[in-house]
Amino acid sequence: DAGVIQSPRHEVTEMGQEVTLRCKPISGHNSLFWYRQTMMRGLELLIYFNNNVPIDDSGMPEDRFSAKMPNASFSTLKIQPSEPRDSAVYFCASSIGQPGTEAFFGQGTRLTVV
Amino acid sequence: AQSVTQPDIHITVSEGASLELRCNYSYGATPYLFWYVQSPGQGLQLLLKYFSGDTLVQGIKGFEAEFKRSQSSFNLRKPSVHWSDAAEYFCAVGAADSSYKLIFGSGTRLLVRP
Repeated sequence: DAGVIQSPRHEVTEMGQEVTLRCKPISGHNSLFWYRQTMMRGLELLIYFNNNVPIDDSGMPEDRFSAKMPNASFSTLKIQPSEPRDSAVYFCASSIGQPGTEAFFGQGTRLTVV
Repeated sequence: AQSVTQPDIHITVSEGASLELRCNYSYGATPYLFWYVQSPGQGLQLLLKYFSGDTLVQGIKGFEAEFKRSQSSFNLRKPSVHWSDAAEYFCAVGAADSSYKLIFGSGTRLLVRP
């Protein structure tokens, strides 16, 4: 398996623009997580899906952020409109959703909002 | 609520020296504990995990960790550090609810002196 695949790897956008980050989880994994990593706040869980259904979105910072998982092999995280403070590395991770199992991380998307 | 504390932000060791990275957790039951490593520009890679059983767990790259319930700790060790071990290390605890999400510590950056 190729692992968790995220695209793009890097994104530079202007403030106010819409940004869409993409994730393909590992085949057979039924849990998917979006994390954000910044120097100030470390790794923050934004949202978690189980069997394509959003279970916990309490980490989504505000209404400008939205996430979808239309099927088991694809998820998106959208920011609209983007702001400079959204600049961070966004990670997608997946797991088989059993107790004690680890999450497998993608390479991340480095987002810069100017 | 579950939490993870990594008290050391940075640690510098000489190549060939031993290493111990500290991790303390807060959890009401037997935890699932993980150590991940992140190289610059990369995603997180699992080093090892504790689920149950033997409290001394072996991982990849010569790392090991010991679970000590009495101290609520899960410290990571390596007897002889290599320059390629320079990276950021994250301790994580598995959530108690059905999400199986991972709650991460703030990370410890390891620098290796030649």
